[in-house]
Amino acid sequence: GAGVSQSPSNKVTEKGKDVELRCDPISGHTALYWYRQSLGQGLEFLIYFQGNSAPDKSGLPSDRFSAERTGGSVSTLTIQRTQQEDSAVYLCASSWGTSGRETQYFGPGTRLLVL
Amino acid sequence: LAKTTQPISMDSYEGQEVNITCSHNNIATNDYITWYQQFPSQGPRFIIQGYKTKVTNEVASLFIPADRKSSTLSLPRVSLSDTAVYYCLVAQTGANNLFFGTGTRLTVIP
Repeated sequence: GAGVSQSPSNKVTEKGKDVELRCDPISGHTALYWYRQSLGQGLEFLIYFQGNSAPDKSGLPSDRFSAERTGGSVSTLTIQRTQQEDSAVYLCASSWGTSGRETQYFGPGTRLLVL
Repeated sequence: LAKTTQPISMDSYEGQEVNITCSHNNIATNDYITWYQQFPSQGPRFIIQGYKTKVTNEVASLFIPADRKSSTLSLPRVSLSDTAVYYCLVAQTGANNLFFGTGTRLTVIP
């Protein structure tokens, strides 16, 4: 079936604007993850969802970041009042569960540039 | 939280075997070790996973010593297309804070 999809693929915004990034996980996957990857850097974990349970938000870098997952499927990562340091690739992944041994399947990412 | 340490970069000639070692001194009993590969402008993709001893699949082998405080990804006879960043991930059961680290940038030279 289809893999993880993310939209938009690229987003350019002005400092101070809000942005919404979307992730469509693989059908049937109960776990969904958001990561951030700055240029030339590793992956920074942001947040994960397991089914319809409340997510653990402790990885979010500031209160300008929020995420939701509706109906245990599609997820939206929202960044309010964007700053230039928010510029990065935002990656979404999904897996069957969060046992620690579940393979994560990543989307292509959304490249965010804040001017 | 089981953090990992890997070399930042490695170079290898085509056709050679490449071994990338990851240190994870604080690995917990229930942790599995998973390696991912990431090409430029793409998300990471799964390569191999193991818990102890040796695991082999069609693309790589994973060696894990008895104390499990490190692991070694072995890529046999690398080609130019193996140029990528390789991440070692140690994930706990019910993990809510997954640490990929900076990865190892492998460059295969003709």
